[in-house]
Formats: sequence, structure tokens, C-alpha cells
Amino acid sequence: QSALTQPRSVSGSPGQSVTISCTGTSSDVGVYNSVSWYQQHPGKAPKLMIYDVSKRPSGVPDRFSGSKSGNTASLTISGLQAEDEADYYCCSYAGSAVFGGGTKLTVL
Amino acid sequence: EVQLVESGGGLVQPGGSLRLSCAVSGFSIKNNYMSWVRQAPGKGLEWVSVIFTAGSTFYADSVKGRFTISRHNSENTVSLQMNSLRPEDTAVYYCARDQSRYFDLWGRGTLVTVSS
Repeated sequence: QSALTQPRSVSGSPGQSVTISCTGTSSDVGVYNSVSWYQQHPGKAPKLMIYDVSKRPSGVPDRFSGSKSGNTASLTISGLQAEDEADYYCCSYAGSAVFGGGTKLTVL
Repeated sequence: EVQLVESGGGLVQPGGSLRLSCAVSGFSIKNNYMSWVRQAPGKGLEWVSVIFTAGSTFYADSVKGRFTISRHNSENTVSLQMNSLRPEDTAVYYCARDQSRYFDLWGRGTLVTVSS
């Protein structure tokens, strides 16, 4: 499996919304709903933010939402806050797990 | 409190071996899939291996034949035996609870450096 494709970086101002895309193929993202998203602050472990395309674990703010269309999944963060600045990784789990290359979110 | 604590990382020469451990508290590993995920310095996440509740194991192609995952239910620990290590295996290795579709709990990781 090849890595999923994410933009290297995105940015937004506090209060704005940003969307991070994650493009796979018809063999992973396009056919399975097992897409998840992870937030990682520098030097810290990844944290699950979204699973099964659009479900939020307990404790994750509803500012974080996920969706999927065709071979592309998306993570949208609305009402940006300073603490959202981090790296974000998508993952498609279909037998084995494949991650995206990661997107650095900068809050301006 | 739920915790996953990795240990066993360190500096090893190319061709050498290392055994990582993941001590779990707060849930029983015998009822859960467990995975190892690694992250090379400055790079993204890479899934390494999973062990299912029934004991079946699967590996990424990059480590197949060199790494072995195992589970010790009585101690509630998961191990990763790494042999024939290469410089490209240098990474922080994370232990994670695997829900077969996503990883919901992660440890803080242990750094493995393969260098002469």
C-alpha cells in the first residue's frame, strides 16, 4: 500500500476554518469507511481525533469534523484555536493500516 | 487509569537486535488487538505490526521476516523483537491499542537508533 496524500501544510487565523485533505485510492479510502485522523503536537504521542470517517471520540471538541467523498477524506477544524496548531495524520485501515504523510497546521 | 508505557529503546549497531516492551494498565490486552507504529525523525507515521486476540500476527513489508510481535497476557505486556536492524529502522516506536479500524490509545514511545 502507498502512503495517503496530504498537503504538507495549511494555515488559518484564530476563529477561521481549515480543511485538510487526504487522498487515497479505490482500494483504501474509496472503498472502506475506516478512515481516522490523528493530532500530534511536537514531541508528543498521536491522539485520535476522528474515526470511521466522521465519528468523534469522547472528549474531542465538535469543532473537529470528518467527511469523505470518493477517494478523498477530509478533516475540517472550525473556530481555530492556538492549541490546534499541530501535525495531523490521516489513516486508512483496510487489513493493514496506511498513513498519510502528515499536514502541519499553523494558526496565524 | 489507562496507560501504555514503552521501554527497551536505545542505540544499536546495524545488524543488531533489540526487544521493545509495552506495559499496559487500565485494560486487558487479551481482549484487544495491539499494534506497533513507528515514526522516523522528522517523518510521518508508519504502521509496523499487529497482534490479534487469537494470536495471529501481521507485519509491514518493510519489517517482515525481521520483527516479531508477541503478547504476554499474564503480564499484560506486548513485545516487539527486532532483529537484523537497519539504519532506516531508526524511529520512535509507539505501542497502540488497535480497534481494527483505528488506534484509540497510544503510549509515549521509545526511541530506537540504529547507527555504527
